[in-house]
Amino acid sequence: KNQVEQSPQSLIILEGKNCTLQCNYTVSPFSNLRWYKQDTGRGPVSLTIMTFSENTKSNGRYTATLDADTKQSSLHITASQLSDSASYICAPGGGYNKLIFGAGTRLAVHP
Amino acid sequence: NAGVTQTPKFQVLKTGQSMTLQCAQDMNHNSMYWYRQDPGMGLRLIYYSASEGTTDKGEVPNGYNVSRLNKREFSLRLESAAPSQTSVYFCASSKERGGPYEQYFGPGTRLTVT
Repeated sequence: KNQVEQSPQSLIILEGKNCTLQCNYTVSPFSNLRWYKQDTGRGPVSLTIMTFSENTKSNGRYTATLDADTKQSSLHITASQLSDSASYICAPGGGYNKLIFGAGTRLAVHP
Repeated sequence: NAGVTQTPKFQVLKTGQSMTLQCAQDMNHNSMYWYRQDPGMGLRLIYYSASEGTTDKGEVPNGYNVSRLNKREFSLRLESAAPSQTSVYFCASSKERGGPYEQYFGPGTRLTVT
């Protein structure tokens, strides 16, 4: 059964600090993994897309890692800003771009 | 370039009423998708259209129908709304269905069925 587990469910950090969000997945077949940012009341926006052969990909202050052998991914946010407050969603993809979405980690950045 | 647009933004229906959610994209994408998002759960695929003229069921298609009106537009219809269909609905599009193409999401429609 395809499953995606994200941890923690929620997280509070102070502005300027770093944080790492985790994603464990069981998806077969597996071809790629995406991280999305979803602001409250809006649609998800893509942060990174990694194919199964990529280990890391960055988008500004966001760096995603992927270990396809252990079926784990992480999203590291550097020097957090208030605008980083959002839900972060992990979505491993199987054949034909079929995505399985995690429930997300809700991040709050406080001043 | 508006990306993916959805109408309406909010809707309240009574049980048994019908309605159509509209979605349009201006990125010349071939593939379009309808998802629902419920509290504490990940997005779930309702229906998708890999290309103009084709539609297929996703993970949770029961109670819904879709129409790929043309390359730009993909609508979702609830024929007889039920409280279990209370959710936030997102339309998305991508260049192609296969491959690591980015999916672009609309702003969502928040639907409440009483």
